Amino acid sequence: GNSVTQMEGPVTLSEEAFLTINCTYTATGYPSLFWYVQYPGEGLQLLLKATKADDKGSNKGFEATYRKETTSFHLEKGSVQVSDSAVYFCALRLSNQGGKLIFGQGTELSVKP
Amino acid sequence: DADVTQTPRNRITKTGKRIMLECSQTKGHDRMYWYRQDPGLGLRLIYYSFDVKDINKGEISDGYSVSRQAQAKFSLSLESAIPNQTALYFCATSETQNTEAFFGQGTRLTVV
Repeated sequence: GNSVTQMEGPVTLSEEAFLTINCTYTATGYPSLFWYVQYPGEGLQLLLKATKADDKGSNKGFEATYRKETTSFHLEKGSVQVSDSAVYFCALRLSNQGGKLIFGQGTELSVKP
Repeated sequence: DADVTQTPRNRITKTGKRIMLECSQTKGHDRMYWYRQDPGLGLRLIYYSFDVKDINKGEISDGYSVSRQAQAKFSLSLESAIPNQTALYFCATSETQNTEAFFGQGTRLTVV
């Protein structure tokens, strides 16, 4: 079946530290991949996406590269800020599934000053 | 005003009660979705709708029903609430199956 697995949280970092949140997927076909962010008390917002192998999505200093050979889409940021504290969700979408998103379990990030 | 609005934002209800969660959108999208979020499980799809006449079950539809009253409105009902339906519920919309999904702010439901 189709699924997404993320590294477990919570992840606690100091400000300006390097961030990696691992995400791997299993999919029948060729999915599009997404990272969503959920700030406290809010809904999910699209952070970045990649629609085919080797694409790199980027936004707000975050990056993720679609790696077909390792079925991965790891999220990285070179220098995190306190304002990056949130829950991050990796997700996939298959083109023949009507736009449904399949989410990982979410990773909570806490950045301390 | 938010593009996707969910009401209520918080609700506590008793076991066995019927409850409706509402979602409205101003984006003009045909596709609407209901997800539930549980700690450690991410978001799981309950129901989705491609237009007012097309409603489909998601992976966890048991115990839930939906109504698409208009293009802009998609309601989720719990006919007889039970404690394991305590969760955070999200409505989402998208223009097509290949475009960005927009989420509401969520409804936190507690069944006691």
